[in-house]
Amino acid sequence: EVVLTQSPLSLPVTLGQPATISCRSSQGLVYSDGTDFLHWFHQRPGQSPRRLIYKVSNRDSGVPDRFSGSGSGTDFTLKISRVEAEDVGIYYCMQGTHWPWTFGQGTKVEIK
Amino acid sequence: QVQLVESGGGLVKPGGSLRLSCVASGFNFTAYYMNWIRQAPGKGLEWLSYISSSGSDIMYADSVMGRFTISRDNAKKSVYLEMNSLRVEDTAMYFCAYPARLAREWGQGTMVTVSS
Repeated sequence: EVVLTQSPLSLPVTLGQPATISCRSSQGLVYSDGTDFLHWFHQRPGQSPRRLIYKVSNRDSGVPDRFSGSGSGTDFTLKISRVEAEDVGIYYCMQGTHWPWTFGQGTKVEIK
Repeated sequence: QVQLVESGGGLVKPGGSLRLSCVASGFNFTAYYMNWIRQAPGKGLEWLSYISSSGSDIMYADSVMGRFTISRDNAKKSVYLEMNSLRVEDTAMYFCAYPARLAREWGQGTMVTVSS
């Protein structure tokens, strides 16, 4: 099973400041079509996860452009350029390349 | 717009059974793989199973293999999760999501509690 390790697990941030979350995979995530099925989700308390970024760097419709994803191989990153109050919650990376598809442990973002 | 509505959760004793349903709308259900994912209270996310558009391709996580069965009815735009031999550790919110390996859309979930 592919293990995704996120860091940090807790991220206190100041409004308007940037935030970066890392996701490291125990093995490469290149699928047979040449793409990395590495995605990022945001979950607020009591809500379902919402996908923000798919295939490493593609922003979903309606996702603010302050969110960006990057990476390759086994190291991936989610960046928030300027954190807003609505960005609090838990962020998960997820791989859909190797079955069973797996999630990282989650990173809790809160406002300082 | 896309909607996934789960139902069927509830309180069940260890060893018992439940059948979860997920009704889809707003997209071409028959064209997509469907998935079940769960989240134990205060914990992370675990992908449980997927089923292909025709139902011929099915996979399970080891944690539920042999106990849970995924199925679908394309005429009813529904996917199901039959859960048997339930354990306390199966207590979780259960979500359906699509498409496979991308999980763009999720339902609101249905809560399953396994307790004596």
